[in-house]
Amino acid sequence: RKEVEQDPGPFNVPEGATVAFNCTYSNSASQSFFWYRQDCRKEPKLLMSVYSSGNEDGRFTAQLNRASQYISLLIRDSKLSDSATYLCVAGMNRDDKIIFGKGTRLHILP
Amino acid sequence: EPEVTQTPSHQVTQMGQEVILRCVPISNHLYFYWYRQILGQKVEFLVSFYNNEISEKSEIFDDQFSVERPDGSNFTLKIRSTKLEDSAMYFCASRLQGPTEAFFGQGTRLTVV
Repeated sequence: RKEVEQDPGPFNVPEGATVAFNCTYSNSASQSFFWYRQDCRKEPKLLMSVYSSGNEDGRFTAQLNRASQYISLLIRDSKLSDSATYLCVAGMNRDDKIIFGKGTRLHILP
Repeated sequence: EPEVTQTPSHQVTQMGQEVILRCVPISNHLYFYWYRQILGQKVEFLVSFYNNEISEKSEIFDDQFSVERPDGSNFTLKIRSTKLEDSAMYFCASRLQGPTEAFFGQGTRLTVV
């Protein structure tokens, strides 16, 4: 089983719609979780951390389900500028290794 | 805002040549990483570095690869004898101690011809 799995997409979503991504991780010892955004040929940039209690940042909501070992990202009222690849990240508490999923490509359609 | 910087932004090298990719992590960060991304593929972990030594490495990071932090500022990745399949974007990252996010440099695009 792969360490971090994501649906590669692409998700083609009309502007203004709500879109949700899920990500599963295999290592139950993973302690830190993040969503990164990567634009074409650019570096990954942190979108948001994912906390056990769930967290929200504007139009973005992230949730963690430790029992099922999955992480979700919800984007509300999607904008054209949200078009990117979204990378799920699971890390170990010792910080020795941060594992990325393959990413989910999102295209927001005008 | 502090950032991770990488040089060069693009490097073209002949197969079999040695290359050194350079990174300056954020100054108070303690953990350093190299990742690579072949065009159209996932971001792959290569190596992590802490307390002046490698803490973990992937199966990709074979004897052709090495890392150094020679002066407390720079963090380098050396590929001794490049192969065509080493062509990729190489990202350096750093993070503080604890379960904090990693910050990435803008990457070096390595093209092996």
